[in-house]
Amino acid sequence: KAGVTQTPRYLIKTRGQQVTLSCSPISGHRSVSWYQQTPGQGLQFLFEYFSETQRNKGNFPGRFSGRQFSNSRSEMNVSTLELGDSALYLCASSLEGQGSTNYGYTFGSGTRLTVV
Amino acid sequence: AQSVTQLGSHVSVSEGALVLLRCNYSSSVPPYLFWYVQYPNQGLQLLLKYTSAATLVKGINGFEAEFKKSETSFHLTKPSAHMSDAAEYFCAVSDLNTGFQKLVFGTGTRLLVSP
Repeated sequence: KAGVTQTPRYLIKTRGQQVTLSCSPISGHRSVSWYQQTPGQGLQFLFEYFSETQRNKGNFPGRFSGRQFSNSRSEMNVSTLELGDSALYLCASSLEGQGSTNYGYTFGSGTRLTVV
Repeated sequence: AQSVTQLGSHVSVSEGALVLLRCNYSSSVPPYLFWYVQYPNQGLQLLLKYTSAATLVKGINGFEAEFKKSETSFHLTKPSAHMSDAAEYFCAVSDLNTGFQKLVFGTGTRLLVSP
């Protein structure tokens, strides 16, 4: 069974540019979440999508956005990149979005974004 | 608001010794609790989870954790450390109030295992 696939693994962008990261969840998983991991702030929740709808959102500026497609694949976009956006971006998928014995998120290996 | 506190940013043990990683949570409603492990340049791997069933939870690789409501704790233990256990460990909480989809993570504990 394939895991959560994130592409690309590594990315270098220039300040002011925009970037799109992709996440393919485990087959059958309909909930996809995104997290940002930095040495200073740790792991922080960005947003979660279920059946193409954003159900939950963290405290990030509007430059961070996402979407989910009908096949549950998800993308996140960061516009007007800042140096502080350099981070490991992790995607996670779950069979259920809430409250079940199957509950639990499986994470991908992440996309490491460097902004120069 | 929910939060997680992991005591000790670094824990060092000898191979074969007991591993104890501490996690205390804050939540105003019954929480779901998780332990994840992260190896260098990798994502997070779920070790175990508590979702209001048995309070003693067994996970992968010989790890287990006990949910203690009175102490608001969910400490991770392993009877005998192995060199391959060296990694960073994260405790996380989610609950109904903020949405089970949103995991709030602790700052992590790096486990160092010496021969």
